[in-house]
Amino acid sequence: SQKIEQNSEALNIQEGKTATLTCNYTNYSPAYLQWYRQDPGRGPVFLLLIRENEKEKRKERLKVTFDTTLKQSLFHITASQPADSATYLCAPFGGGYNKLIFGAGTRLAVHP
Amino acid sequence: DVKVTQSSRYLVKRTGEKVFLECVQDMDHENMFWYRQDPGLGLRLIYFSYDVKMKEKGDIPEGYSVSREKKERFSLILESASTNQTSMYLCASRIQGPWGEAFFGQGTRLTVV
Repeated sequence: SQKIEQNSEALNIQEGKTATLTCNYTNYSPAYLQWYRQDPGRGPVFLLLIRENEKEKRKERLKVTFDTTLKQSLFHITASQPADSATYLCAPFGGGYNKLIFGAGTRLAVHP
Repeated sequence: DVKVTQSSRYLVKRTGEKVFLECVQDMDHENMFWYRQDPGLGLRLIYFSYDVKMKEKGDIPEGYSVSREKKERFSLILESASTNQTSMYLCASRIQGPWGEAFFGQGTRLTVV
Protein backbone atom coordinates (compact mmCIF):
# COMPACT_ATOMS: atom_id res chain seq x y z
CA SER A 1 0.00 0.00 0.00
CA GLN A 2 1.02 3.63 -0.44
CA LYS A 3 3.31 4.85 2.29
CA ILE A 4 4.45 8.39 3.10
CA GLU A 5 7.21 9.06 5.61
CA GLN A 6 8.12 12.31 7.25
CA ASN A 7 10.57 12.71 10.08
CA SER A 8 8.55 12.27 13.25
CA GLU A 9 11.18 13.98 15.36
CA ALA A 10 10.66 17.69 15.83
CA LEU A 11 13.13 19.92 14.05
CA ASN A 12 14.58 22.66 16.22
CA ILE A 13 16.52 25.44 14.53
CA GLN A 14 17.77 28.92 15.26
CA GLU A 15 16.10 31.96 13.77
CA GLY A 16 17.70 32.98 10.49
CA LYS A 17 18.84 29.47 9.57
CA THR A 18 17.43 27.31 6.78
CA ALA A 19 15.03 24.56 7.80
CA THR A 20 14.94 21.43 5.63
CA LEU A 21 12.13 18.91 5.94
CA THR A 22 11.97 15.57 4.17
CA CYS A 23 9.11 13.62 2.63
CA ASN A 24 9.68 10.09 1.34
CA TYR A 25 7.09 7.90 -0.33
CA THR A 26 6.94 4.27 -1.41
CA ASN A 27 4.72 1.92 -3.42
CA TYR A 28 3.42 4.50 -5.82
CA SER A 29 4.54 7.09 -8.33
CA PRO A 30 2.90 10.44 -7.70
CA ALA A 31 2.97 12.99 -10.47
CA TYR A 32 2.26 15.84 -8.05
CA LEU A 33 3.19 16.69 -4.52
CA GLN A 34 1.66 19.26 -2.20
CA TRP A 35 2.96 20.78 1.03
CA TYR A 36 0.74 22.12 3.81
CA ARG A 37 1.26 23.96 7.06
CA GLN A 38 -0.75 23.16 10.18
CA ASP A 39 -0.91 25.23 13.34
CA PRO A 40 -2.10 23.69 16.64
CA GLY A 41 -5.86 23.25 16.79
CA ARG A 42 -6.41 24.25 13.17
CA GLY A 43 -6.80 22.55 9.82
CA PRO A 44 -3.86 22.38 7.39
CA VAL A 45 -3.32 25.23 4.95
CA PHE A 46 -1.93 24.71 1.44
CA LEU A 47 1.53 26.14 0.70
CA LEU A 48 2.93 24.78 -2.55
CA LEU A 49 2.38 22.25 -5.31
CA ILE A 50 5.18 20.80 -7.42
CA ARG A 51 4.83 18.63 -10.52
CA GLU A 52 7.12 15.69 -11.26
CA ASN A 53 8.77 17.48 -14.18
CA GLU A 54 9.50 20.67 -12.22
CA LYS A 55 12.30 19.39 -9.98
CA GLU A 56 12.25 22.63 -7.96
CA LYS A 57 9.72 25.31 -7.09
CA ARG A 58 10.02 28.51 -5.07
CA LYS A 59 7.60 30.82 -3.32
CA GLU A 60 9.06 33.67 -1.30
CA ARG A 61 11.24 32.01 1.39
CA LEU A 62 9.98 28.52 0.54
CA LYS A 63 11.65 26.07 -1.81
CA VAL A 64 10.47 22.58 -2.69
CA THR A 65 12.28 19.89 -4.66
CA PHE A 66 10.85 16.70 -6.09
CA ASP A 67 13.12 13.77 -6.97
CA THR A 68 11.11 10.96 -8.53
CA THR A 69 14.16 8.69 -8.67
CA LEU A 70 14.78 8.94 -4.94
CA LYS A 71 11.01 9.11 -4.29
CA GLN A 72 11.62 12.13 -2.12
CA SER A 73 10.65 15.76 -1.71
CA LEU A 74 12.60 18.32 0.30
CA PHE A 75 10.95 21.42 1.75
CA HIS A 76 13.20 24.34 2.65
CA ILE A 77 12.42 27.50 4.58
CA THR A 78 15.22 30.05 4.29
CA ALA A 79 15.83 32.84 6.81
CA SER A 80 13.46 31.07 9.20
CA GLN A 81 11.44 33.04 11.73
CA PRO A 82 9.67 32.02 14.96
CA ALA A 83 6.39 32.55 13.09
CA ASP A 84 7.36 29.62 10.84
CA SER A 85 6.98 27.26 13.80
CA ALA A 86 4.27 24.77 12.87
CA THR A 87 3.78 21.24 11.60
CA TYR A 88 4.42 20.72 7.89
CA LEU A 89 2.72 17.93 5.97
CA CYS A 90 3.38 16.55 2.51
CA ALA A 91 0.80 14.98 0.22
CA PRO A 92 2.14 13.17 -2.85
CA PHE A 93 -0.58 12.11 -5.26
CA GLY A 94 -0.65 10.34 -8.58
CA GLY A 95 -2.99 8.71 -11.02
CA GLY A 96 -5.92 8.50 -8.64
CA TYR A 97 -6.38 12.23 -8.40
CA ASN A 98 -9.37 11.97 -6.15
CA LYS A 99 -7.61 10.37 -3.23
CA LEU A 100 -5.51 12.76 -1.15
CA ILE A 101 -3.41 11.27 1.64
CA PHE A 102 -0.83 12.92 3.88
CA GLY A 103 2.35 12.14 5.70
CA ALA A 104 2.23 12.37 9.49
CA GLY A 105 4.01 15.73 9.37
CA THR A 106 7.15 17.18 10.87
CA ARG A 107 6.96 19.75 13.64
CA LEU A 108 9.30 22.68 13.16
CA ALA A 109 10.30 24.94 16.06
CA VAL A 110 12.26 28.10 15.24
CA HIS A 111 13.92 29.63 18.28
CA PRO A 112 14.80 33.33 18.58
CA ASP B 1 -13.43 33.93 0.83
CA VAL B 2 -13.55 30.17 0.45
CA LYS B 3 -15.03 28.25 3.30
CA VAL B 4 -15.36 24.75 4.67
CA THR B 5 -17.54 24.67 7.74
CA GLN B 6 -17.87 21.83 10.20
CA SER B 7 -21.00 21.77 12.31
CA SER B 8 -19.36 21.48 15.72
CA ARG B 9 -16.03 22.48 17.17
CA TYR B 10 -16.33 20.21 20.22
CA LEU B 11 -18.58 17.22 20.74
CA VAL B 12 -18.99 14.78 23.62
CA LYS B 13 -20.95 11.58 22.99
CA ARG B 14 -21.61 8.36 24.85
CA THR B 15 -20.41 4.92 23.80
CA GLY B 16 -22.92 3.28 21.48
CA GLU B 17 -24.51 6.51 20.29
CA LYS B 18 -24.94 7.24 16.58
CA VAL B 19 -22.97 10.37 15.79
CA PHE B 20 -23.27 12.69 12.81
CA LEU B 21 -20.50 15.09 11.80
CA GLU B 22 -21.52 17.57 9.15
CA CYS B 23 -19.37 19.46 6.69
CA VAL B 24 -20.43 22.13 4.21
CA GLN B 25 -18.34 23.84 1.53
CA ASP B 26 -19.25 26.88 -0.54
CA MET B 27 -16.75 26.48 -3.39
CA ASP B 28 -18.68 24.06 -5.63
CA HIS B 29 -15.88 21.49 -5.21
CA GLU B 30 -16.38 17.98 -6.54
CA ASN B 31 -14.15 16.24 -4.02
CA MET B 32 -14.75 16.10 -0.29
CA PHE B 33 -12.83 14.21 2.39
CA TRP B 34 -13.04 13.13 6.00
CA TYR B 35 -9.86 12.60 8.01
CA ARG B 36 -9.10 11.88 11.61
CA GLN B 37 -5.97 13.16 13.27
CA ASP B 38 -4.32 11.60 16.29
CA PRO B 39 -0.98 12.48 17.93
CA GLY B 40 1.88 10.71 16.20
CA LEU B 41 -0.37 9.25 13.49
CA GLY B 42 -1.01 12.32 11.41
CA LEU B 43 -3.99 12.78 9.12
CA ARG B 44 -5.62 9.47 8.17
CA LEU B 45 -8.20 9.32 5.41
CA ILE B 46 -11.52 7.76 6.44
CA TYR B 47 -13.70 8.30 3.37
CA PHE B 48 -13.82 10.58 0.38
CA SER B 49 -16.38 11.51 -2.23
CA TYR B 50 -15.77 12.64 -5.81
CA ASP B 51 -19.37 13.41 -6.70
CA VAL B 52 -22.86 13.49 -5.27
CA LYS B 53 -23.83 10.06 -3.95
CA MET B 54 -20.37 8.70 -4.83
CA LYS B 55 -17.98 7.61 -2.13
CA GLU B 56 -14.81 5.63 -1.71
CA LYS B 57 -13.17 4.13 1.33
CA GLY B 58 -9.99 5.64 2.59
CA ASP B 59 -7.41 3.91 4.73
CA ILE B 60 -9.46 3.52 7.94
CA PRO B 61 -13.18 3.23 7.06
CA GLU B 62 -14.12 0.65 9.71
CA GLY B 63 -16.77 1.92 12.09
CA TYR B 64 -17.69 4.87 9.86
CA SER B 65 -20.04 5.60 7.00
CA VAL B 66 -20.65 8.72 4.92
CA SER B 67 -23.42 10.44 3.04
CA ARG B 68 -23.31 12.95 0.22
CA GLU B 69 -26.79 13.84 -0.95
CA LYS B 70 -25.88 17.35 -2.10
CA LYS B 71 -22.67 18.60 -3.65
CA GLU B 72 -21.92 21.06 -0.87
CA ARG B 73 -22.50 18.72 2.08
CA PHE B 74 -20.58 15.65 3.22
CA SER B 75 -21.56 13.87 6.41
CA LEU B 76 -19.54 11.43 8.48
CA ILE B 77 -21.53 8.93 10.54
CA LEU B 78 -20.27 6.91 13.45
CA GLU B 79 -22.78 4.07 13.56
CA SER B 80 -22.05 3.12 17.18
CA ALA B 81 -19.49 5.39 18.77
CA SER B 82 -16.64 3.79 20.67
CA THR B 83 -13.94 5.28 22.87
CA ASN B 84 -11.26 4.56 20.26
CA GLN B 85 -13.05 6.97 17.95
CA THR B 86 -12.16 9.86 20.24
CA SER B 87 -10.16 12.08 17.93
CA MET B 88 -9.95 15.31 15.94
CA TYR B 89 -11.99 15.01 12.75
CA LEU B 90 -11.18 17.22 9.78
CA CYS B 91 -13.20 17.75 6.64
CA ALA B 92 -11.68 19.04 3.40
CA SER B 93 -12.75 19.84 -0.13
CA ARG B 94 -10.97 20.43 -3.43
CA ILE B 95 -11.65 20.68 -7.14
CA GLN B 96 -11.34 17.62 -9.36
CA GLY B 97 -7.93 17.12 -10.97
CA PRO B 98 -4.33 16.91 -9.83
CA TRP B 99 -3.55 20.53 -9.07
CA GLY B 100 -6.37 21.52 -6.74
CA GLU B 101 -5.38 22.46 -3.23
CA ALA B 102 -7.42 21.10 -0.35
CA PHE B 103 -9.32 23.51 1.89
CA PHE B 104 -9.92 22.31 5.42
CA GLY B 105 -12.55 23.00 8.01
CA GLN B 106 -11.68 24.05 11.53
CA GLY B 107 -11.99 20.49 12.86
CA THR B 108 -14.31 18.75 15.32
CA ARG B 109 -12.82 17.47 18.53
CA LEU B 110 -14.95 14.42 19.36
CA THR B 111 -14.76 12.76 22.75
CA VAL B 112 -16.56 9.44 23.28
CA VAL B 113 -17.11 8.59 26.93
